[in-house]
Amino acid sequence: DQQVKQNSPSLSVQEGRISILNCDYTNSMFDYFLWYKKYPAEGPTFLISISSIKDKNEDGRFTVFLNKSAKHLSLHIVPSQPGDSAVYFCAAAGGSGTYKYIFGTGTRLKVLA
Amino acid sequence: GAGVSQSPRYKVAKRGQDVALRCDPISGHVSLFWYQQALGQGPEFLTYFQNEAQLDKSGLPSDRFFAERPEGSVSTLKIQRTQQEDSAVYLCASSHHRDRDSPLHFGNGTRLTVT
Repeated sequence: DQQVKQNSPSLSVQEGRISILNCDYTNSMFDYFLWYKKYPAEGPTFLISISSIKDKNEDGRFTVFLNKSAKHLSLHIVPSQPGDSAVYFCAAAGGSGTYKYIFGTGTRLKVLA
Repeated sequence: GAGVSQSPRYKVAKRGQDVALRCDPISGHVSLFWYQQALGQGPEFLTYFQNEAQLDKSGLPSDRFFAERPEGSVSTLKIQRTQQEDSAVYLCASSHHRDRDSPLHFGNGTRLTVT
């Protein structure tokens, strides 16, 4: 059973517009969430995180929103740039396996110039 | 370099061979993780070390998989009698703190192909 789900395998966005990547989770014990970006043939790179005590965290062009009641988080990238084209993974941790990050299957973002 | 280093980058093994994958974490990082990433999937947890202690190996798929970190720095993931289903990218990650609110820093992975 997939505890962290990214239901959109791919997304295309025009340069300069907003990219919104979504992630849903099922385990209510999760209390720490992260987004990673991955280029081909490289390992995932940490982007931004959020603790369950917050509902928003912002870092430059990247903002993560957390809706605990809906068990949903999203990553907003504004404005989108061609260099943002990559696969984005959300990950969650909490409960008995607090150190164990559970990853979604990823969303491939393509930013069109 | 300052990042997590993994070797080899690519490994082709014949079914039944043993392989050893190496991870050099960022210096001083206490926590070390191994993940397995199959094609089109997200990374899946294999095992976790805090210094030299292997605190969780619940994600290792079978007893053919073995990981060690004898001196609390370099780690080796060993797969015995490789099978085709072992083909995947094996990612190593480290983090500075003991607790989990410290993002994982990943290496570039080892792509294992079992023929």
